[in-house]
Amino acid sequence: ETGVTQSPTHLIKTRGQQVTLRCSSQSGHNTVSWYQQALGQGPQFIFQYYREEENGRGNFPPRFSGLQFPNYSSELNVNALELDDSALYLCASSRAASGGRSEQFFGPGTRLTVL
Amino acid sequence: GNSVTQMEGPVTLSEEAFLTINCTYTATGYPSLFWYVQYPGEGLQLLLKATKADDKGSNKGFEATYRKETTSFHLEKGSVQVSDSAVYFCALSDLINAGNMLTFGGGTRLMVKP
Repeated sequence: ETGVTQSPTHLIKTRGQQVTLRCSSQSGHNTVSWYQQALGQGPQFIFQYYREEENGRGNFPPRFSGLQFPNYSSELNVNALELDDSALYLCASSRAASGGRSEQFFGPGTRLTVL
Repeated sequence: GNSVTQMEGPVTLSEEAFLTINCTYTATGYPSLFWYVQYPGEGLQLLLKATKADDKGSNKGFEATYRKETTSFHLEKGSVQVSDSAVYFCALSDLINAGNMLTFGGGTRLMVKP
């Protein structure tokens, strides 16, 4: 069974650029969530995708957007990068279940540095 | 909104010492509670969970009990090892539409010395 994978591992961008991060969900999972983890802090929920639609969103501006594909993989896009966007971006997959109490499995993350 | 508060680290212990990492939460309803562990350079791994009041989650010698009356979910281990050195995150699960989102505390770094 393949776990959650993310690419790339590391990325360096400059302010104002755009970036796309990718995530492949674990086999059998149909829901993908994205989190931002700034250095020394806990992860913060960005959004979740289920059945190729945004299923919920945290307190992030519209320049953070995403996609989910028919094979349940997902992309996180960030436009107009700012220095504060430098963080570890974590993807988590799960299987939507009755009551929503499904466990999320995390990938290793993508480390984004904005200069 | 919902929130999670953890004791600040780092926590430095000698091998075989007793560990407690405090976690309290604020939430509406009855969330599920989790402890995740993050080793250097890695993503998050689920350590243990509890889904209702008075449930005890346990794994690899770690334990935590869901205390609704004190809104707490403290992590404990009777005898830590050097390999337990990592950052520990307490989290709660909120329902959103068809799924759930996690709200995390700020993390507590544990350093175990031989």
